[in-house]
This record gives sequence, structure tokens and C-alpha cells, in this order.
Amino acid sequence: SQTIHQWPATLVQPVGSPLSLECTVEGTSNPNLYWYRQAAGRGLQLLFYSVGIGQISSEVPQNLSASRPQDRQFILSSKKLLLSDSGFYLCAWSVALSERGNQPQHFGDGTRLSIL
Amino acid sequence: GQQLNQSPQSMFIQEGEDVSMNCTSSSIFNTWLWYKQDPGEGPVLLIALYKAGELTSNGRLTAQFGTTRKDSFLNISASIPSDVGIYFCAGQLQAAGNKLTFGGGTRVLVKP
Repeated sequence: SQTIHQWPATLVQPVGSPLSLECTVEGTSNPNLYWYRQAAGRGLQLLFYSVGIGQISSEVPQNLSASRPQDRQFILSSKKLLLSDSGFYLCAWSVALSERGNQPQHFGDGTRLSIL
Repeated sequence: GQQLNQSPQSMFIQEGEDVSMNCTSSSIFNTWLWYKQDPGEGPVLLIALYKAGELTSNGRLTAQFGTTRKDSFLNISASIPSDVGIYFCAGQLQAAGNKLTFGGGTRVLVKP
């Protein structure tokens, strides 16, 4: 069966420091991968998605970037964190769009990022 | 862009009650999904709906894909304390990336 792992689970970083959050998926190949941010008590905002290695689509202009160095690895980064980058970051995967049509997304357990 | 309006924003449940929540969209979707999120965790898929008019159950949960393809509802029957959490609807188009548009969530709480 497929599993998705995110780490770290929690992170406290000072303003201006760099960031690297990692997400890996097991048990599937060539998945679509996604990064979301969720503000406290709010819905999910799609930040980036990827349909293949090295292919990144950005949904909103921001201080963050994403990379997909391997098929089942998705990394969220920043060179200099802002206070507004605080939030709950979720990684998700789905089977690629196929003949069967849309496929649901499945989420990791998230990283809670606090910027001081 | 598309927007999903989810209501109610929050509700209190009493054990044994049936509860209902719904989502409406300004435009059509090909797929509707319902997720539940517990505190500090990622959303978990409850039900996926792929055809207009489809009615699908998962245990005490029942969801329907509206015939106009612009709405969906979720019912929870005979609620229990572990039903507490945030429920999200999400719509999906048949497009590259399997991207989702999420509703704002319905927070389900237990009546004091």
C-alpha cells in the first residue's frame, strides 16, 4: 500500500532563516505531488504541484519554492523566512491523471512551522 | 477562479444525532471529495463521488454529488464523539494535475 511521510512534524525557525521541508511517497511510482499551506482554522491553499521529476507548477506568488529531485520526493524551501510563512504545511500525492479520470489526493500528517 | 462555499462553518452535535453539511460551487466539477481533518493531522479521504447524482455511503457517512454538478452534501448519521473534527469538501476538474479546490471547512464540535 502507499504511504506518505513528511518531516519534521514541527519546526520553529527565526525570521530570515532558510527552510527545507521534505515529503516522500512509498508504494507508487510517478505520482502527482502537492504542497499546501493551512492557516489556523482555515482551509487549504495549494502552493505547488508537480506531475513529474523537475516539473513544478506554482499556484501563488510567494516567498517559497519547491523542487522534485526524485520521482517520489518533494521538497519545500525558502532562502529567508518571513513571519507570514508560519502555518501548517501539508504534502499530498495522487495517482497521475489516467484513463480512469480524476484521482483523489492523499495527505501526509503535516509540518507545523512557527516563525519567531 | 472557482470558489466553494461550505456550510455551516461550524456545528454542535449531540451523540446520536444526524448532521448534515453541504458545498456549493459557482461552476461545475467532475469529482467531489469529502475529507475529515483531526487536530494536528492531515485530512483523510472519507468519500469520493465521480458521477452527477451519485449517492455513496461509507459506514455512517453518506454523500451525494448534486445533479447540477455544482453541489454536494455529506450526512453523518447517529453521530458519536469521534466525529468531532473539521470536514472539508473539495471539487476536482478533469485536468492535468488532479488539482483540488477546497471549501472553507465545517468544524464539528460536541455540545457541552
